[in-house]
Formats: sequence, C-alpha cells, structure tokens
Amino acid sequence: EAGVAQSPRYKIIEKRQSVAFWCNPISGHATLYWYQQILGQGPKLLIQFQNNGVVDDSQLPKDRFSAERLKGVDSTLKIQPAKLEDSAVYLCASSLTMDREIRGYTFGSGTRLTVV
Amino acid sequence: DAKTTQPNSMESNEEEPVHLPCNHSTISGTDYIHWYRQLPSQGPEYVIHGLTSNVNNRMASLAIAEDRKSSTLILHRATLRDAAVYYCILPQGGSEKLVFGKGTKLTVNP
Repeated sequence: EAGVAQSPRYKIIEKRQSVAFWCNPISGHATLYWYQQILGQGPKLLIQFQNNGVVDDSQLPKDRFSAERLKGVDSTLKIQPAKLEDSAVYLCASSLTMDREIRGYTFGSGTRLTVV
Repeated sequence: DAKTTQPNSMESNEEEPVHLPCNHSTISGTDYIHWYRQLPSQGPEYVIHGLTSNVNNRMASLAIAEDRKSSTLILHRATLRDAAVYYCILPQGGSEKLVFGKGTKLTVNP
C-alpha cells in the first residue's frame, strides 16, 4: 500500500513570500489532516477535511493560511505571506475511519519549511 | 478534552524491555488510547491502540489499567531503531482527530 505522499520535501523562502505544500493521501482515506510541527514540539493540528469539506479549521491562522481539497483526494496548504515563525515541518495525514477508533491514521514524511 | 501525561524522557539499554507510562485520568468510557512514535526526520507512525483489554502486535504491547486511567506501552526488546519520541494520545473531544502532546523521548543505549 502506498503511503501518504507530500511535496516538496524541503522549502526555503524569504518572509512575506508565499508557499504551497501538496499532499496525496492513501487511496480510499476520506479524512485528511494538516499538522504543523515546530522544532521540539508535538504536531499541532491545523485543519481536518472529510472528503472535500472542512470539518475543523479552528487552529488554522486564516489571515495567512489556506487549504483546499478539491475532488476529495489531493490537498494543498498555502501560506501567504509567510512569517519567520512559520518555520516548521508541515505534516499531512489521512485516516480510514470516521469513528472513535480512528484506524489507519497515517502520516507523510512532511515538508520542512524555513522562512528567512 | 481528555489529557495525557508522559515523562519527558526515558533511557533504556539495547535488548532490554522498555515500559513507557502514560496517565490519562480524565479519559471517557469510549475513548481509545493511541500510541504513535516519531523517528528523527520522519512523520509520526502508528504503534498500537486499544480500548479496554491489553493489546499486542508485532511492534509492541499495550497494557491498559483496569480503571483505564493509565496505560503502558511495552517494547519487549529495545533496539537502536526504537529511539524516537513516543506519543500517547486520546481523541480530542470524542472526535476522530488526534491531538499530540510533547511525548516521551526514548534514548536507547548500545
């Protein structure tokens, strides 16, 4: 079974520039998540999709972050404009079930963003 | 939301068993207990999960206290490849998403 694919693997941008990350979840996984992981901390959930609809985006800084999941498969996360504090690893995950057992929760390898 | 408490760090020697504790005193009756680990420069990976009974798989065992207020992840024979941050997680607010804390950094000594 193919895993969760993310690209690019690394990205360096200057502050105030924009950047986009791409995620392709495991086939058949209807639920997709974006996490932000700052160095030394656990991953922080930014947004959750169910198919192409947003379930929870309460932790997404909407003044600069946006995300979409067209056709309920691939997803993109965008930051515009980037700030220094956005330097982090951005992780995408997908899950098989939408019940309390949360089976099949699988992460990609992440995109490491450095804002200079 | 149910919270978890884990030690910041633990050390073990190679080929010895490791017991990673987690306290979750506010767990609800239907919350599953999940364990994930994150190897350096990788995304978190699933280790094991359970509800009430002890669980075993090829990676580890999960021992759940009878009152469910604590659990222990057991690595039967630690290897250098098991050095990672281990997260004990309960679903947020009864939902189907996982909210991570800081986890326990496990160091395995050769």
